[in-house]
Parts: sequence; structure tokens; C-alpha cells
Amino acid sequence: QKEVEQNSGPLSVPEGAIASLNCTYSDRVSQSFFWYRQYSGKSPELIMSIYSNGDKEDGRFTAQLNKASQYVSLLIRDSQPSDSATYLCAVNPSPLSSGSARQLTFGSGTQLTVLP
Amino acid sequence: EAGVAQSPRYKIIEKRQSVAFWCNPISGHATLYWYQQILGQGPKLLIQFQNNGVVDDSQLPKDRFSAERLKGVDSTLKIQPAKLEDSAVYLCAIPAGGNGYTFGSGTRLTVV
Repeated sequence: QKEVEQNSGPLSVPEGAIASLNCTYSDRVSQSFFWYRQYSGKSPELIMSIYSNGDKEDGRFTAQLNKASQYVSLLIRDSQPSDSATYLCAVNPSPLSSGSARQLTFGSGTQLTVLP
Repeated sequence: EAGVAQSPRYKIIEKRQSVAFWCNPISGHATLYWYQQILGQGPKLLIQFQNNGVVDDSQLPKDRFSAERLKGVDSTLKIQPAKLEDSAVYLCAIPAGGNGYTFGSGTRLTVV
């Protein structure tokens, strides 16, 4: 059973702080990793993807991947109240070039609250 | 949520009744997924279509759930009979750039 584990939270940070969200996965052959943001009552929205070990930055968001440790993280710098949401980690074990199922396995999400 | 239309947005039914959800991938993607998201959990894959064929339905409770994709475009997901534990949001998704997904707005089902 392929699993994706996240701390459910809730995680609270003050406005302007760095929020750190963590995710571990069990399938060692996993190739693609994603972070989705889900506001209450809304569907998940893709915010970051990462495929190689190291860091990937996009604005205030940085995704970090360590395949040896089977660990993915998301850092949100200068957190804003509008970042308050549930963050879902998702993993795809298929190689990027396979054109295969592209099925994603999701974690249960971490609820983030940014306090004004 | 651009690219995927779903209806209805909300549905309340009694247990043992039947219900159907509809998904239209506006951009006409060959691949389409149905996910179930129970409150407090992440989305869980129910079924994957490639055009009008089923690629994977291993996690679909086939004694009560069924799905079809007409002409490789629209898709319907049906539950008959519904149970209390089927209360969830049912999400339709299509591939987005870089192996991610674009989700529809979902259908929130409440079984009472």
C-alpha cells in the first residue's frame, strides 16, 4: 500500500513568519511530487511541483525534495492570512516520460492558519 | 476551476437511494479521474478513464458504484444504493502540466 503521510496540524504561524509543511512517502520509486492548496469548501489547487532532489522556488513558496529520505517539504515565506488553508502533498510513482497512469496518491493534508 | 465542469454542486439523499454525478472536461482531455474526498482526508482515486475505456477501477466499490464515459468526453459516476459512509466530495480531474491535475469544483454528497 503506497502511503503519503502528513502531520494533520493544525499548524498556526504569525503573519510574516515562515510556515514549514512536511510530507513523507513510502514508495521509493516515486518520481513526481506535488503540493496542492485547498481552501475550505473548495477543490484542491496545484501550487508547486518538484521532480529532482533539492529546492525549487516559486515566489514565496519553496518545495524541497530528498528522495533518499523519502521526504518532501513546502516552505511558505512571509506567510499571509490568505495562505490559511489545508495543504495536500501528492505523489506519483510513474516516470515523467512514461505517459502512464499519472495517478496521484494524496496525503491527508495539513491545516495551516496564519494569524494576523 | 477552469477546464472541468461538475454538477450538481450539492446533493442530499437518504441512505439506500441512488445518485449520479456528472463531469465535463471542457478542454476535452483523453484522461479523466474521479476522486472521493471524505472530510478531513485527502482525495482517494476511484476510477481512471482513458478516452471511453477504464484504465484503473481497482478502488471503486463496484457493488454500489459505477462510472462511464460517453464518447470519451463527459463522464457520470453513480452510487446505488448509497450508504452513510459515502458522504464525501466527489472530484473529477484531468491532467495538467507536469503530471499534476486540474480538479473540477466537486459535488458534495450528504447521505442521511
